[in-house]
Amino acid sequence: QKEVEQNSGPLSVPEGAIASLNCTYSDRGSQSFFWYRQYSGKSPELIMFIYSNGDKEDGRFTAQLNKASQYVSLLIRDSQPSDSATYLCAVTTGGGNKLTFGTGTQLKVEL
Amino acid sequence: EAGVAQSPRYKIIEKRQSVAFWCNPISGHATLYWYQQILGQGPKLLIQFQNNGVVDDSQLPKDRFSAERLKGVDSTLKIQPAKLEDSAVYLCASSFGDRNYGYTFGSGTRLTVV
Repeated sequence: QKEVEQNSGPLSVPEGAIASLNCTYSDRGSQSFFWYRQYSGKSPELIMFIYSNGDKEDGRFTAQLNKASQYVSLLIRDSQPSDSATYLCAVTTGGGNKLTFGTGTQLKVEL
Repeated sequence: EAGVAQSPRYKIIEKRQSVAFWCNPISGHATLYWYQQILGQGPKLLIQFQNNGVVDDSQLPKDRFSAERLKGVDSTLKIQPAKLEDSAVYLCASSFGDRNYGYTFGSGTRLTVV
């Protein structure tokens, strides 16, 4: 079992729709959870982090965490073509602060 | 605040040659990470430094990869000798303090081994 699992996609959504990206993790001791956006040929860029169960909203982005189910998700409201990128889920593992990344989900927002 | 600086941006070498990458973290960031990202995959941690010391190098192929962080600031990652499967983007990241509020990544070095 991979430590952090994501559906590789591509996930295609129409412009203006809600995009839902999902991630599961295996380490029950994980404390911190992150979403990074990566455009093709660029390095990952942090967009959200969440530590506690529940929802955390930042503009058009909402991160959701359920530690009991070992599940974290990212919702993007009013999706724009500029949101087209690969979204990486990252989780602290091993009891420390190093991040383990999933393989990423490719999001395509279509006009 | 200046970001994480990396050089070179691109490097093409032949297999069995050696190569070195340089990273300068954000000022004041005690923790520095080197990640390897193969095309189509997520970044994989190679080594983590806390100031001068190595915290985690469990996934570093030590027979060919080495890294150092002199004086707790700049870091160098070396590959010797390189293999075809080392073709990847090498990302450096840094963070402040013990609590992880997320890394800031540098622009990366794209290595192609031919």
